[in-house]
Amino acid sequence: GQQVMQIPQYQHVQEGEDFTTYCNSSTTLSNIQWYKQRPGGHPVFLIQLVKSGEVKKQKRLTFQFGEAKKNSSLHITATQTTDVGTYFCAGRTGTASKLTFGTGTRLQVTL
Amino acid sequence: EPEVTQTPSHQVTQMGQEVILRCVPISNHLYFYWYRQILGQKVEFLVSFYNNEISEKSEIFDDQFSVERPDGSNFTLKIRSTKLEDSAMYFCASSEVQGAGSPLHFGNGTRLTVT
Repeated sequence: GQQVMQIPQYQHVQEGEDFTTYCNSSTTLSNIQWYKQRPGGHPVFLIQLVKSGEVKKQKRLTFQFGEAKKNSSLHITATQTTDVGTYFCAGRTGTASKLTFGTGTRLQVTL
Repeated sequence: EPEVTQTPSHQVTQMGQEVILRCVPISNHLYFYWYRQILGQKVEFLVSFYNNEISEKSEIFDDQFSVERPDGSNFTLKIRSTKLEDSAMYFCASSEVQGAGSPLHFGNGTRLTVT
């Protein structure tokens, strides 16, 4: 079945450093979404990308969808302690209702 | 802002017992989902539900699992005979539409502990 892997599994940065998580799907995706889960919390939707090569920005966060629609990345510039959490990509294939989550990248930010 | 609500927040049950996890999706949403997350691991799809029937289900969602929308507001997940490996956080989610353009809104989850 479809697999969505993320690297790294865990990253620990100092506040102010940049952070990137990479997402790779075993199959071509119709769209990709990103979610953030704070410790003890539930996944919260951040953004959706639909078009091949699409780039979207949300303040310090930059999201990219690969040309082949099989990979994506999330880059955070100048991390803050409020960025702590696990970042999940999640993708759909075709018109499927199922949204498959990636393995997640846990981000720890210290002062 | 409207929310997905889940009850109870924590359920402890003995192996072999039946449990029902309850969810109230956002009122104008049409698509409903159950996911589970074993501690520290990824968010795993269980089932999606639309128009009073299952749209898709995963291999995890075997005959021990069932879902129901008994009235206009509740969406329930039943596990008939719980196993130790069913211990996890169960998240309900809903979306307004399906497919592209459709973020999932998650509830706070029910932590199920099977002893």
